[in-house]
Amino acid sequence: EAGVTQFPSHSVIEKGQTVTLRCDPISGHDNLYWYRRVMGKEIKFLLHFVKESKQDESGMPNNRFLAERTGGTYSTLKVQPAELEDSGVYFCASSQDGGREQYFGPGTRLTVT
Amino acid sequence: SQQGEEDPQALSIQEGENATMNCSYKTSINNLQWYRQNSGRGLVHLILIRSNEREKHSGRLRVTLDTSKKSSSLLITASRAADTASYFCATDGYRTSGTYKYIFGTGTRLKVLA
Repeated sequence: EAGVTQFPSHSVIEKGQTVTLRCDPISGHDNLYWYRRVMGKEIKFLLHFVKESKQDESGMPNNRFLAERTGGTYSTLKVQPAELEDSGVYFCASSQDGGREQYFGPGTRLTVT
Repeated sequence: SQQGEEDPQALSIQEGENATMNCSYKTSINNLQWYRQNSGRGLVHLILIRSNEREKHSGRLRVTLDTSKKSSSLLITASRAADTASYFCATDGYRTSGTYKYIFGTGTRLKVLA
């Protein structure tokens, strides 16, 4: 069974540019989560999708971040415009019912210069 | 202290030695997981231990869980230079609005010297 995949693995952009991160969950997993680790701090929850609906987006830092999950399959996380403090590693996770066992992807390392 | 806090924050050992990292949490849990992250790269799942388990082994890894003390430990035996990484514990934390938010600590930075 394929795990959670994320693309790209690493992205380097300039401040003010736009970047879109993609996450493909494990097939059949309705729940999809985004987390991020910035500036060597702890990994923090960003938001949770159930199928195509946003269940909880309380962790989204500001309106420069937009997450979508059209069709309830893969998800994208767009940062527009990117700021220096957005640099970090963005993780995606998926789960079946309940969400208590979340399977994490390898992450996308975002560097904003 | 926050949920999922690891101790120590940094650990430096010689290759071949054992490394022990601890994690404390606050709320009741269903399971606790340990992850490794190498140099800002991806998160690698190491081991999951459920709340009704006390100890679990996987290769050179040994995890213990004490729910009465709300703590867990990760032991890496016969460490190797390749074990150099940051290690995080994550708990399934609380549920709000139908969401389980994994709570991660700040991690333990392990450095294994060759």
